[in-house]
Amino acid sequence: GAVVSQHPSRVICKSGTSVKIECRSLDFQATTMFWYRQFPKQSLMLMATSNEGSKATYEQGVEKDKFLINHASLTLSTLTVTSAHPEDSSFYICSARQTVGGNQPQHFGDGTRLSIL
Amino acid sequence: QKEVEQDPGPLSVPEGAIVSLNCTYSNSAFQYFMWYRQYSRKGPELLMYTYSSGNKEDGRFTAQVDKSSKYISLFIRDSQPSDSATYLCAMSAGSARQLTFGSGTQLTVLP
Repeated sequence: GAVVSQHPSRVICKSGTSVKIECRSLDFQATTMFWYRQFPKQSLMLMATSNEGSKATYEQGVEKDKFLINHASLTLSTLTVTSAHPEDSSFYICSARQTVGGNQPQHFGDGTRLSIL
Repeated sequence: QKEVEQDPGPLSVPEGAIVSLNCTYSNSAFQYFMWYRQYSRKGPELLMYTYSSGNKEDGRFTAQVDKSSKYISLFIRDSQPSDSATYLCAMSAGSARQLTFGSGTQLTVLP
């Protein structure tokens, strides 16, 4: 149980392109999903917290107009990197926390490797 | 000083060895403690999830939390080459709160 699917796993595109990444909780409902960024050989850096039906909460230094987050249902959150540039190239990972049951941990997707040429 | 400190390694052990991975933290509000395993180019996989102090065992894995010392450990018994990965400790002040991660320890188990 507690499977999180992230799609696509790999994106290579030209500078200026907008890229959408999907995060789905397959077998549970998640009121809250999280988006992280990870650089090589570094730990995960929280970008934003996505709440179903409301605006996402962004961490300091993360541009909300650059990284658009939509959490329209209890099983789906999307991250759109708008007008992506080479410095946006990174490994993006989402996680989801099961809504019911109390004291539930976060489960992670397999990440999306984004390369902007 | 980081809120969570974790030795990045790398750590190499022979197959069958007992592995000890550790994290220290400074925030006394942390109540929930997790260990994740991350293979290269993959997302973190939850291994252990504990609340407050004590031990928890699951197969070859044992997680220990010592809140008085602000110290958590993960022990891997009879280590296997397939255990080779980066191990991340993570903790939070509440189950619904955001996680604070350690930097990760890279482990290699040699056949």
